[in-house]
Amino acid sequence: EVQLVESGGGLVQPGGSLRLSCAASGFTFSDHFMDWVRQAPGKGLEWVGRPRNKGRSDTTEYATSMKGRVIISRDDSKNSLYLQMNSLKMEDTAVYFCVRVSNSGSYSFDYWGQGTLVSVSS
Amino acid sequence: DIQMTQSPSSLSAFVGDRVTIACRASQGIRNDLAWYQQKSGKAPKRLIYSASILQDGVPSRFSGSGSGTEFTLTISSLQPEDFATYYCVQHNNYPVTFGGGTKVEIK
Repeated sequence: EVQLVESGGGLVQPGGSLRLSCAASGFTFSDHFMDWVRQAPGKGLEWVGRPRNKGRSDTTEYATSMKGRVIISRDDSKNSLYLQMNSLKMEDTAVYFCVRVSNSGSYSFDYWGQGTLVSVSS
Repeated sequence: DIQMTQSPSSLSAFVGDRVTIACRASQGIRNDLAWYQQKSGKAPKRLIYSASILQDGVPSRFSGSGSGTEFTLTISSLQPEDFATYYCVQHNNYPVTFGGGTKVEIK
């Protein structure tokens, strides 16, 4: 059974930093792209980005609004995905989801974690 | 960035109604589009991928169509468990972009 479990969310002050983690199980992690998607309270879904896969020449891709403030990485030896967020703003308050990208013809998101809440407030 | 415009942003319908949600891409995305259902407080669930392929386990009353820039999600006979928010998302080009969502409510 595919499982994605996010952790690391919490309350942080504006300008602060936070690192989120996603632990994956139930599938071959290195075979899949893995992304972060976020959702502000009462708002829609927003893609955050996709990290470089080890051994591939793909670049790390980020949402335009997140470039320069976040670093996404992965450790295939630990079946884990990470999101380092810096210079946090109140508008970064959101639930952050770890998502698996399908590798069977469609590159859509086939599995989602339950999400971890990040609250940016003074 | 490719803009995904969903319409309507909300709708009210009766159980048994046929419901159609539209999604328009600002440029051609072939069939690189998926539809998701999200219920309050839960993670989204994939309904349709590659514009028209039904996810395993999803009831056949859901269907998707379209290619290029115009796409639709249809629920042929709305059921009580279908009241939720629906999102389209394109993965043809970076950055991946979502539509704004359509909230389906009970009339």
